[in-house]
Amino acid sequence: DGGITQSPKYLFRKEGQNVTLSCEQNLNHDAMYWYRQDPGQGLRLIYYSQIVNDFQKGDIAEGYSVSREKKESFPLTVTSAQKNPTAFYLCATTGTGGAQYEQYFGPGTRLTVT
Amino acid sequence: AQSVTQPDIHITVSEGASLELRCNYSYGATPYLFWYVQSPGQGLQLLLKYFSGDTLVQGIKGFEAEFKRSQSSFNLRKPSVHWSDAAEYFCAVRSGGSYIPTFGRGTSLIVHP
Repeated sequence: DGGITQSPKYLFRKEGQNVTLSCEQNLNHDAMYWYRQDPGQGLRLIYYSQIVNDFQKGDIAEGYSVSREKKESFPLTVTSAQKNPTAFYLCATTGTGGAQYEQYFGPGTRLTVT
Repeated sequence: AQSVTQPDIHITVSEGASLELRCNYSYGATPYLFWYVQSPGQGLQLLLKYFSGDTLVQGIKGFEAEFKRSQSSFNLRKPSVHWSDAAEYFCAVRSGGSYIPTFGRGTSLIVHP
């Protein structure tokens, strides 16, 4: 079954702690993305990666970090520098070769920081 | 720069009624256009997409959308709404040379029985 897995579904952390969100895909897609979703704000791009060992900042990268050591994996670390980390986080992938390819989304991770 | 506007934040319809969700985009050339649906607490699922050819596109779950270049619009329609269609709907545009789509802010669909 091809798809994207994000774990865990719900994550709770204390303020000041770093936390890493997992994203794994078996679609053989080159491009992977992380989005943050807050009520009424749509999707905001945090980071994206078009190829292994390369990634670029999106619109709201401050306080976040990523790595892309394997094609299948694109973990996101929410650092203590992120001022308001509580949100719903979505991982996505897309095939390459043309802009007509849609994005595929994982089920999301809801992070709550108190 | 490309942009997407979904003018309606919320739309309420009765079950069985027709539906039209509006999407306007700003982009110089012919864009690649997408509609996604998101149920609460879940990821987004593609409903349909347009990148060339017939301007009326059929999608899953009985949805369709029409690309109108003169109006820079890509409105989503469904002739008869079911209670299970209650969800958030996102329009997105992507240019030919970019890996980064631009999403609208979404329209929340409420279905009354």
